[in-house]
Amino acid sequence: ETGVTQTPRHLVMGMTNKKSLKCEQHLGHNAMYWYKQSAKKPLELMFVYNFKEQTENNSVPSRFSPECPNSSHLFLHLHTLQPEDSALYLCASSHDQGRYGYTFGSGTRLTVV
Amino acid sequence: AQKITQTQPGMFVQEKEAVTLDCTYDTSDPSYGLFWYKQPSSGEMIFLIYQGSYDQQNATEGRYSLNFQKARKSANLVISASQLGDSAMYFCAMREAGSARQLTFGSGTQLTVLP
Repeated sequence: ETGVTQTPRHLVMGMTNKKSLKCEQHLGHNAMYWYKQSAKKPLELMFVYNFKEQTENNSVPSRFSPECPNSSHLFLHLHTLQPEDSALYLCASSHDQGRYGYTFGSGTRLTVV
Repeated sequence: AQKITQTQPGMFVQEKEAVTLDCTYDTSDPSYGLFWYKQPSSGEMIFLIYQGSYDQQNATEGRYSLNFQKARKSANLVISASQLGDSAMYFCAMREAGSARQLTFGSGTQLTVLP
């Protein structure tokens, strides 16, 4: 257990479904991140939240909608996804200072059918 | 431009031997941190080791050590006495202290430890 908890671990959803991924940390970190990892591709940063404010959105399609109600919780709302959105979605948190690395959750393995 | 380069898509090592995974980086920020993560097939990213740009000595954590050559901008990971459980994907990453401040990852190296 790393201190960053992601649920669910696995998710299968149809293209017309709406689902949400949840991430929770109680490490006292003030920054939280969503990454997408597709097969045979590097990690892609999707969203960054700093003190609950979104500070980065890396040209992510609007069918992905993040929500950060407080510094400990981060959600990724999914709707009308495409099969190419199937991937491992990783949440991470950190202190907002350069010398600190990220603590990752175990990821949600998403399959869109 | 690629900030982190890992040139070895796959590596094999015999159990109990040492292996070096290569990583080069590119930055103009004088203050930065370098990280190595391990990702087993289960998916979680496990932090292994950290090297700060101002650190005088190479970082070590148990069987992991970081061969930091600042002038060459390289930060290779050395795993000594490889174990079967070391088989995983390994990512090098950098975080600059300046305005970007995001953790940037390389493309990874798949390490397989052979019995």
